[in-house]
Amino acid sequence: DGGITQSPKYLFRKEGQNVTLSCEQNLNHDAMYWYRQDPGQGLRLIYYSQIVNDFQKGDIAEGYSVSREKKESFPLTVTSAQKNPTAFYLCASSLLPGQGAASGRADTQYFGPGTRLTVL
Amino acid sequence: AQTVTQSQPEMSVQEAETVTLSCTYDTSENNYYLFWYKQPPSRQMILVIRQEAYKQQNATENRFSVNFQKAAKSFSLKISDSQLGDTAMYFCAFMKLHPPFYFGSGTKLNVKP
Repeated sequence: DGGITQSPKYLFRKEGQNVTLSCEQNLNHDAMYWYRQDPGQGLRLIYYSQIVNDFQKGDIAEGYSVSREKKESFPLTVTSAQKNPTAFYLCASSLLPGQGAASGRADTQYFGPGTRLTVL
Repeated sequence: AQTVTQSQPEMSVQEAETVTLSCTYDTSENNYYLFWYKQPPSRQMILVIRQEAYKQQNATENRFSVNFQKAAKSFSLKISDSQLGDTAMYFCAFMKLHPPFYFGSGTKLNVKP
């Protein structure tokens, strides 16, 4: 079954701790994304990556870090520098223009089920 | 920078009726993609419909259709024969010919029995 998985579904963190959210895809997509969603709000882009070992900051990158060591994986670390990390986090992936259409359209994002992070 | 605006934070519609959700965007690009995503209470994001800017014909997917007005930079979603399962947040999104994607703030749609 092809898709995007995120773990854990719920995550609790104490203030001052770093936590890492997992995102894995087996769709052979080059591009991956992390979004933050606050209650009743839209999606805000944290980071995105179009190729292994490269990534770009989104609108709200401060207090977050990412890595892209493998094509399939794009973990997000919420650091202690993030002042208000309680939120719902969504990971997504997409093909890039010019890639084959076997696992979807190049212009469409596919989303994981999300991780709900709560700071205690 | 690209911006996407959804001016209706919340809307209600009676079951079986038709409702239209509004979206406007700002870009200097000529070619791009537009999307409507649905987020039900489960919070899983689901693609509803997509439109390629170079196509003049409005996209249609079963009960969902769009009114794409390129000159006005408007991309509204029409839901016909509304069903209870259509209750969700709806997000309009924009992408140039390459990432990233830009999302609007969403419209919460309540379908009433």
